[in-house]
Amino acid sequence: EAQVTQNPRYLITVTGKKLTVTCSQNMNHEYMSWYRQDPGLGLRQIYYSMNVEVTDKGDVPEGYKVSRKEKRNFPLILESPSPNQTSLYFCASRPAGNNSPLHFGNGTRLTVT
Amino acid sequence: RKEVEQDPGPFNVPEGATVAFNCTYSNSASQSFFWYRQDCRKEPKLLMSVYSSGNEDGRFTAQLNRASQYISLLIRDSKLSDSATYLCVVNMNSGTYKYIFGTGTRLKVLA
Repeated sequence: EAQVTQNPRYLITVTGKKLTVTCSQNMNHEYMSWYRQDPGLGLRQIYYSMNVEVTDKGDVPEGYKVSRKEKRNFPLILESPSPNQTSLYFCASRPAGNNSPLHFGNGTRLTVT
Repeated sequence: RKEVEQDPGPFNVPEGATVAFNCTYSNSASQSFFWYRQDCRKEPKLLMSVYSSGNEDGRFTAQLNRASQYISLLIRDSKLSDSATYLCVVNMNSGTYKYIFGTGTRLKVLA
């Protein structure tokens, strides 16, 4: 089944403890991106990647890192999480073709205390 | 002004009603347009892409008006299962292609 898989689904952590949220897609998509969703703000892009070893900042990259060593994986790294990073996170991918729609993973709910 | 704007609702409609949502966008360089459906705190799922000539998928019809910079979604014969938040998404070319999301319009279909 074609899908974008994120893990974990739920994560509660403490301020400053490094964490990684994984994202993997099995559709051979070139483009992948991370979003966070907060009430009243909609989805905001954190980072995106046009292809392997090509990453760039989105609208809210502060406090996050990403890597794209393989086409299928695009992990999101929080080196020192803070409470303002408590949010619902979505990974998405799309095939080549700038006008293609995004396919979303099932989300990671992160709480930083 | 927000790049993509939607009326947040909620729209409460009886089963069987026809309901329409609009979404306005500010950047005329916008290239492609989509409607997504999002159930409570779940991932957005593509409902339909929106084409210049308008398009229909069963009870759902999407329209694009480039001159006035808005897209619309019409839902006919509403079902209880249509209750969700509908996100307008615009893909614009501002050097790199970027997806801009509206904050969503909440629909509740009542029995």
